[in-house]
Amino acid sequence: DARVTQTPRHKVTEMGQEVTMRCQPILGHNTVFWYRQTMMQGLELLAYFRNRAPLDDSGMPKDRFSAEMPDATLATLKIQPSEPRDSAVYFCASGNSGQGAVVQPQHFGDGTRLSIL
Amino acid sequence: AQSVTQPDIHITVSEGASLELRCNYSYGATPYLFWYVQSPGQGLQLLLKYFSGDTLVQGIKGFEAEFKRSQSSFNLRKPSVHWSDAAEYFCAATTGNKLTFGGGTRVLVKP
Repeated sequence: DARVTQTPRHKVTEMGQEVTMRCQPILGHNTVFWYRQTMMQGLELLAYFRNRAPLDDSGMPKDRFSAEMPDATLATLKIQPSEPRDSAVYFCASGNSGQGAVVQPQHFGDGTRLSIL
Repeated sequence: AQSVTQPDIHITVSEGASLELRCNYSYGATPYLFWYVQSPGQGLQLLLKYFSGDTLVQGIKGFEAEFKRSQSSFNLRKPSVHWSDAAEYFCAATTGNKLTFGGGTRVLVKP
């Protein structure tokens, strides 16, 4: 089965450090999503891309977070500088969608568990 | 505002018993509806989806869900749960690309 691959699976670092999380979407999927999951807030959509172009990043703190898709096989989410409140599990998901908003299910990776000390 | 509500935070069920998880949505138009399951340390796995047509939808792992427009609900059911069904279950909805998730229901299975 094709899978969304996220690296690293776990990351522990000190506040102020830069954190980069990577995602390899399923081959052929044109839409990539980044989510954050915490006990308090549940699942929050941070940003998403279609055909590598950012469509919506309204859920992302702009001052420290950035999301990019350097190519169709790689999506990155960066935090700089990181803060303890960024501790969470970050999920990437991919799917297919078109201009007419033909909706297909999103397929999730296993997440990156981030701890900022 | 669009929202998805899962009224039950926790449900405990005995192995072999039936399970029903509730989901209600609030959207201007009928959204596309999904149920996902999350096991500890894992991502979300799609159980089933409803786009249109037959309101009773069959999914993987023996799950089914029923869409009821009049009640704005999309409840998940399983006739007989197995210990491996212990997990967190999320209902989600969308009218475009952005999924709105419910808060999740954690299912505990007693032997």
